[in-house]
Amino acid sequence: EAGVAQSPRYKIIEKRQSVAFWCNPISGHATLYWYQQILGQGPKLLIQFQNNGVVDDSQLPKDRFSAERLKGVDSTLKIQPAKLEDSAVYLCASSFSTDTQYFGPGTRLTVL
Amino acid sequence: KQEVTQIPAALSVPEGENLVLNCSFTDSAIYNLQWFRQDPGKGLTSLLLIQSSQREQTSGRLNASLDKSSGRSTLYIAASQPGDSATYLCAVKGAGNQFYFGTGTSLTVIP
Repeated sequence: EAGVAQSPRYKIIEKRQSVAFWCNPISGHATLYWYQQILGQGPKLLIQFQNNGVVDDSQLPKDRFSAERLKGVDSTLKIQPAKLEDSAVYLCASSFSTDTQYFGPGTRLTVL
Repeated sequence: KQEVTQIPAALSVPEGENLVLNCSFTDSAIYNLQWFRQDPGKGLTSLLLIQSSQREQTSGRLNASLDKSSGRSTLYIAASQPGDSATYLCAVKGAGNQFYFGTGTSLTVIP
């Protein structure tokens, strides 16, 4: 069974630039999560999708972050414009129905 | 708001020792609690999931317990090995379907 795929693995941008991350969940997993993990902290949930609908985006900074999951499969998270404090690892996870979450390797973003 | 705390932040033990990692949460109204392992530069791997109605779960050398009323969970690792070196995170799923993670315990097992 293929795992959760994420790309790119690393990204370096300057502040005020835009960036997008891509995630392909495990086949058949209806629920998809995006997390932000700042160095030394635990992951913080940004947004949760059930199929292509948003279940929870209460911690997503909507003035600069957006996410979509158009066909209920893969998903894109965008930051526009980026700030220094957005430097973090962005993790994507998916789950079927048991609440066990399967995580991708993450995208490490550095904002200069 | 749910707050999840993990103590200690770092732990170093000699190989073969049994050890306990602690996780505490402020709101006992949870659906489940999960323990994860995170290796440097990698994503998280789920180790054990305990539903709110359960008291413990076991997988190999790992045993996780849950005391919902006191807001505590422990992860017991028996006969530790150098390959167990990683950061261990606990996460609770709250009533609002939100997941809250602790900051993790960094474990080093010395050969």
